Amino acid sequence: KAGVTQTPRYLIKTRGQQVTLSCSPISGHRSVSWYQQTPGQGLQFLFEYFSETQRNKGNFPGRFSGRQFSNSRSEMNVSTLELGDSALYLCASSLDPAGGQETQYFGPGTRLLVL
Amino acid sequence: AQSVTQLGSHVSVSEGALVLLRCNYSSSVPPYLFWYVQYPNQGLQLLLKYTSAATLVKGINDFEAEFKKSETSFHLTKPSAHMSDAAEYFCAVSAGNNDMRFGAGTRLTVKP
Repeated sequence: KAGVTQTPRYLIKTRGQQVTLSCSPISGHRSVSWYQQTPGQGLQFLFEYFSETQRNKGNFPGRFSGRQFSNSRSEMNVSTLELGDSALYLCASSLDPAGGQETQYFGPGTRLLVL
Repeated sequence: AQSVTQLGSHVSVSEGALVLLRCNYSSSVPPYLFWYVQYPNQGLQLLLKYTSAATLVKGINDFEAEFKKSETSFHLTKPSAHMSDAAEYFCAVSAGNNDMRFGAGTRLTVKP
């Protein structure tokens, strides 16, 4: 099976712009979670989508948003970029956790640099 | 709410020596616990996970971890370190809702 894929892998933007990142989960996985990784704050949970619905949300401002499509692919959007948004954005997919199958499989990440 | 504390941001061992990476958790419900490894410029790879089936969990590459409820710990061990084990290791806890909370990470260095 193909793993989690994320596009693009690298991105450079300037302050005030917006950006959209894409994540394709492992085939059959219906849950997609997003994380932000920075040297200062470490790995922080952004949000999780399941069946096109946001099910969990971390403590991030409203500039960070996401969505999930019917094929489970997910996008996250960051509007009005700030320098502090520079980070590695990781996407993870998993099966429906109702049965305890909660292993999250991570993609390689998108590295965003905001200038 | 759940959280994880990893003791020691950097651990250095000699090749062939025991690896011990410490993790303590806090959770208001029975937790799921995970160890992930991250190599430079890569995503996270699951080493092992605890889901209450057994307290001693074996993972890939000879890593294992023991869940100790009385100590709220889930330390990661490997009997003999290899150079290829040099990476950053993350302990994580989840309450079963895919809202996974990670520790700050421990960077493992393996000396020849």
